Amino acid sequence: AQSVAQPEDQVNVAEGNPLTVKCTYSVSGNPYLFWYVQYPNRGLQFLLKYITGDNLVKGSYGFEAEFNKSQTSFHLKKPSALVSDSALYFCAVNGESYGQNFVFGPGTRLSVLP
Amino acid sequence: AAGVIQSPRHLIKEKRETATLKCYPIPRHDTVYWYQQGPGQDPQFLISFYEKMQSDKGSIPDRFSAQQFSDYHSELNMSSLELGDSALYFCASSPRSSGANVLTFGAGSRLTVL
Repeated sequence: AQSVAQPEDQVNVAEGNPLTVKCTYSVSGNPYLFWYVQYPNRGLQFLLKYITGDNLVKGSYGFEAEFNKSQTSFHLKKPSALVSDSALYFCAVNGESYGQNFVFGPGTRLSVLP
Repeated sequence: AAGVIQSPRHLIKEKRETATLKCYPIPRHDTVYWYQQGPGQDPQFLISFYEKMQSDKGSIPDRFSAQQFSDYHSELNMSSLELGDSALYFCASSPRSSGANVLTFGAGSRLTVL
């Protein structure tokens, strides 16, 4: 069974500083990895995905994520955080077979302090 | 661009009542997913449909049922509502799920059971 772990419930970072939100996964076969962001009382918005190819994936709003197969990690990063980045971030995994469904991590709340 | 439309956005019901949530996927998306997100929780997969047939089943209670219609919209029917059913219910759609496809989420329907 596939699973996702986000070891930090909360990440605090000062505006302008780099941010990292951690994610590790477990899936049989090659993983498809995703990051979604959720603002209060809103749906989940897609940020980026890793399917294959370059380990560094660039996504929306200046976010990027690095796939590390040996560490089974897919950490989300941004070089310079904005206060407006404050939200709930979910890592998700899906297997490569048809019919497998997204499994979300528990979420990490990012607070960017002015 | 058209998004996933969910209705109603908010719904208040009493215990033991029934509720129906509707989801209209993005045009030409033939796969629909339902997720339940409790307060402070990550989204939990309930059920999915591909081409009007159930394709996967997650942690959906027996009191709940869902279907996808010929126009690809989907309805989630919930009966004998319990206090614990209070949650955000998200619908998502994608083209045929290969694992690599991004799920596009609706804004959610917030169900409150009193």
